[in-house]
Amino acid sequence: DAKTTQPPSMDCAEGRAANLPCNHSTISGNEYVYWYRQIHSQGPQYIIHGLKNNETNEMASLIITEDRKSSTLILPHATLRDTAVYYCIVMRAAGNKLTFGGGTRVLVKP
Amino acid sequence: DTGVSQDPRHKITKRGQNVTFRCDPISEHNRLYWYRQTLGQGPEFLTYFQNEAQLEKSRLLSDRFSAERPKGSFSTLEIQRTEQGDSAMYLCASSDGRGNTEAFFGQGTRLTVV
Repeated sequence: DAKTTQPPSMDCAEGRAANLPCNHSTISGNEYVYWYRQIHSQGPQYIIHGLKNNETNEMASLIITEDRKSSTLILPHATLRDTAVYYCIVMRAAGNKLTFGGGTRVLVKP
Repeated sequence: DTGVSQDPRHKITKRGQNVTFRCDPISEHNRLYWYRQTLGQGPEFLTYFQNEAQLEKSRLLSDRFSAERPKGSFSTLEIQRTEQGDSAMYLCASSDGRGNTEAFFGQGTRLTVV
């Protein structure tokens, strides 16, 4: 599975959009981009995933560049409860494990 | 559906003792995963099961570690002769194993070896 690169930390103002970047320049054609987050002392929680097209669900939007070498997770209106470590993971279809990197520690401030 | 359940949530044990953790996956999920997470790090893959078959084991899973999933339902992770370096959060996840579906994680078991 391709490796991902994320900034180690970022702050965001409550109520504003949070844009979390992820680089995955070695991604191959059958690999998906997954995002999980982990709130302190809890297990990771799935957010969203995509292959080529942009995706949106009730939690977030995922924007994947046309060359698929990078993506951005957008939390449209960050709340204090969104404070967590966010992991960008690349995994092939029917993959059998998630490979977590260091993630981005997001702190939402009032 | 109550999600992935892990027991116990916390375990303190003396070095050299054996410990066993249990994971109950979401019903009908045929894939079950174990991960270990140390402080400040992302979770690391340990092993996974497809039904009752253990299909992959990480090099992190030393001879002191053993995992089982009898009958393809719940799973246990046993650590023998615990060492202080085994102190970590042990996470279990399950998925339905179809294509590009997400994994659901439990709350984890925090092990402290003193």
